[in-house]
Amino acid sequence: GAVVSQHPSWVICKSGTSVKIECRSLDFQATTMFWYRQFPKQSLMLMATSNEGSKATYEQGVEKDKFLINHASLTLSTLTVTSAHPEDSSFYICSATGTGYNNEQFFGPGTRLTVL
Amino acid sequence: SQQGEEDPQALSIQEGENATMNCSYKTSINNLQWYRQNSGRGLVHLILIRSNEREKHSGRLRVTLDTSKKSSSLLITASRAADTASYFCATAPNSGGSNYKLTFGKGTLLTVNP
Repeated sequence: GAVVSQHPSWVICKSGTSVKIECRSLDFQATTMFWYRQFPKQSLMLMATSNEGSKATYEQGVEKDKFLINHASLTLSTLTVTSAHPEDSSFYICSATGTGYNNEQFFGPGTRLTVL
Repeated sequence: SQQGEEDPQALSIQEGENATMNCSYKTSINNLQWYRQNSGRGLVHLILIRSNEREKHSGRLRVTLDTSKKSSSLLITASRAADTASYFCATAPNSGGSNYKLTFGKGTLLTVNP
């Protein structure tokens, strides 16, 4: 149980376009989802926390208009990178937790974004 | 800023040897978790140790926590080539509420040579 999926697993886009990444909890209701960013050979940096039905809470230094997060249902959160630029190229990982999991986070497999 | 700091940053050992990785943190925590990440993949949760626990075992993994020194160690015994991965510690703050935000360390890249 407690499986989280992400789609797509990788995406290449042109500079200036927007890219949407989906994060789904497959077998549990995710009351809270987290979005992380990881540059090569570096650690995960939390970008934002989203609760179902509420606006996401962004970490300091993360542009909320640049990284749009929607958590409209208990099984789906989306991250949209708007007007992507090469410096947005990174590995984006989501995680989710829900009631009864004692705040343990379950991580998705990640999405590799490359902006040309 | 990253709270968890792992050392060493990289560790190379032979199959069958034990691998020890350390993690230090700065603020009060509710729990500390260790994760494994294979190159370009997602994270796999290994073990969680709570602030009132001192040691925990899971298979070939042994985790210790010293809250007085704000440090933890992960020991992998009888290592295998398949253990080759990056290992991260992550701390959950002791701030109450229901949404614990994890702060990840920089990770240790473990290479187990056959």
